[in-house]
Amino acid sequence: DAKTTQPNSMESNEEEPVHLPCNHSTISGTDYIHWYRQLPSQGPEYVIHGLTSNVNNRMASLAIAEDRKSSTLILHRATLRDAAVYYCILRGAYGGATNKLIFGTGTLLAVQP
Amino acid sequence: DAGVIQSPRHEVTEMGQEVTLRCKPISGHDYLFWYRQTMMRGLELLIYFNNNVPIDDSGMPEDRFSAKMPNASFSTLKIQPSEPRDSAVYFCASSLRGGYSYEQYFGPGTRLTVT
Repeated sequence: DAKTTQPNSMESNEEEPVHLPCNHSTISGTDYIHWYRQLPSQGPEYVIHGLTSNVNNRMASLAIAEDRKSSTLILHRATLRDAAVYYCILRGAYGGATNKLIFGTGTLLAVQP
Repeated sequence: DAGVIQSPRHEVTEMGQEVTLRCKPISGHDYLFWYRQTMMRGLELLIYFNNNVPIDDSGMPEDRFSAKMPNASFSTLKIQPSEPRDSAVYFCASSLRGGYSYEQYFGPGTRLTVT
């Protein structure tokens, strides 16, 4: 399985943008890049996903490098509620692997007021 | 929608006892997943079902663990006999369909402590 590499932790100030990086140098052409986050004492929640083009939704933006070997989750204005562990996950487009979420260690984001 | 419902939220039991964790997926979702989270191993997929049928149980740690889905609105994860190393948070998740474009919705988890 293609693996992802994320920094263990990051810090941000409230109301400032946050850029969370993810490296996936062994990504295959059919792997989608998904992001989930886990707030303290809660189950993970979906944030965003993409294949090649940059994606935006109400929660965040996903910027994908042209060679797809890295991506960045962008929180445009961090709030205290965004303090969580953020997971970058690759999901295959075909076969049984497409149904699975393989979680790594993620990035623990701390947001300072 | 109430989301994925898990019960109990906390369970404390003694080694050797049987433990049953319960999950009610979101109505209409075809897929149900059981995950376990520990400090040492992080979040691991244990088993998942499609239309009540187990599809992949390769993550189930050993024969002491079993999971069933008797109908579309209920699933159980049973540990018999339980051991201290089973202490973890167990999450249930469901998704509308399988595939890369369908997000998984997680429940609040059951924190299991085996003494």
